[in-house]
Amino acid sequence: NAGVTQTPKFRVLKTGQSMTLLCAQDMNHEYMYWYRQDPGMGLRLIHYSVGEGTTAKGEVPDGYNVSRLKKQNFLLGLESAAPSQTSVYFCASTQGLAGTYEQYFGPGTRLTVT
Amino acid sequence: AQSVTQPDIHITVSEGASLELRCNYSYGATPYLFWYVQSPGQGLQLLLKYFSGDTLVQGIKGFEAEFKRSQSSFNLRKPSVHWSDAAEYFCAVGAGGGTYKYIFGTGTRLKVLA
Repeated sequence: NAGVTQTPKFRVLKTGQSMTLLCAQDMNHEYMYWYRQDPGMGLRLIHYSVGEGTTAKGEVPDGYNVSRLKKQNFLLGLESAAPSQTSVYFCASTQGLAGTYEQYFGPGTRLTVT
Repeated sequence: AQSVTQPDIHITVSEGASLELRCNYSYGATPYLFWYVQSPGQGLQLLLKYFSGDTLVQGIKGFEAEFKRSQSSFNLRKPSVHWSDAAEYFCAVGAGGGTYKYIFGTGTRLKVLA
C-alpha cells in the first residue's frame, strides 16, 4: 500500500514549456486535490476532483489544467510554464465519507521554472 | 468568508519546554479541524483532528489540541518538546459543502534549541 505517490519529484522547466504532474493513489479514494505551497502562504488549492471524470477549480486555477480519467490518477498540467509557477506541488486524496475529512498527502513535486 | 489564521510565523523553544501553537478559524458551521506537520522536504502528516465530541483531542507524537468554540480556536500543545519536533505545522479547517476541501493556515515554523 503506497498511499499517494507523485511523479516526478523534481523538475526544471524553461518559460513556455509544458509538463504534466502525475498523482496516483491506491486507497480507492473518491476525492483528489492539487495544491501548491509557497513560502509564507501555506497550501493553496489549485484544482480538485470529487470523482472519476470530474474536475473543479480551486483557489488558484489559472495556468493549470487537470484530468481524472481513472479514479486512482489525477493529472496536473502546465501548458505554458511561467516563473510564477515555481513552487512545490502536493497531491492529496480522501475517501470523502460522511464524518471524515482526513486528507492523505503525497511527498510533493518541486518545480522550478526559469 | 472561511479562513484560518496562524498568528505565529516562527516559534523557538528549548528542548524539554512546553509548546503551544495558535490557530484561529472563521467558519459558519461546526468546523472540522486538523493539525498537520511537515518536516523539511517532506509531505504533510496528520497529527490530530477534531470532528465532534470531546473538545480536547489527542494525536500522535504526544501532541494534543483543544477546540474552543467561544474563541474560534484550535491550539496545538505539547508538554515537552523534543528536538525531532522541529518542523512546520499547519492548521486546517474542513470547508464542507460535500467537497471535503480544506482551508489551510500559513503555517508556523518551529525551531527547537538543544
